[in-house]
Amino acid sequence: DAKTTQPPSMDCAEGRAANLPCNHSTISGNEYVYWYRQIHSQGPQYIIHGLKNNETNEMASLIITEDRKSSTLILPHATLRDTAVYYCIVRVLRGGSQGNLIFGKGTKLSVKP
Amino acid sequence: NAGVMQNPRHLVRRRGQEARLRCSPMKGHSHVYWYRQLPEEGLKFMVYLQKENIIDESGMPKERFSAEFPKEGPSILRIQQVVRGDSAAYFCASSPRRGTGTNEQFFGPGTRLTVL
Repeated sequence: DAKTTQPPSMDCAEGRAANLPCNHSTISGNEYVYWYRQIHSQGPQYIIHGLKNNETNEMASLIITEDRKSSTLILPHATLRDTAVYYCIVRVLRGGSQGNLIFGKGTKLSVKP
Repeated sequence: NAGVMQNPRHLVRRRGQEARLRCSPMKGHSHVYWYRQLPEEGLKFMVYLQKENIIDESGMPKERFSAEFPKEGPSILRIQQVVRGDSAAYFCASSPRRGTGTNEQFFGPGTRLTVL
């Protein structure tokens, strides 16, 4: 699985959009970008994933650059409950090994009132 | 539809004792993964199992640790002769059978092991 790079921490004001960047310059053509988050003391939670098109669900939006070397997770209206560590992970969707997730250090997002 | 269940949520053991951690995957999921999170660190993969088979144990310590996922019942992570360095949060995740769905893994709430 490709290596990812994320800023160690970010702050966001409550109600504003949180934009979390991720660099994955060595991503392969069959690797998807996944985002998980871990709220303090809880198990990680799946947020969203995508290949090359932008994706949106009830939790967030995922913007992937045309060259796929980076992406941005957008929480459109951050709340205090969004305070968590956010992990960007790249991996094959299916066909290859359906094995482990490789968690980096992630970005610690602090949403402030 | 219940999520991934882990028990106990908290486990305290003295050095040298055995720890047994249980994980019940989501209904219909036949893949189970165990991860360990040391204090102030990220999650590290330990082992990946399907029913009755270990698929990938590349993250398991060579000694004292074992895992199983029997045909019936939960997956078990077993740590023999625990040491203080085993103190960590142990998370279990499950996913549907290979080649289906979005390949996302659903995580349980974790078991926090404290070794005195």
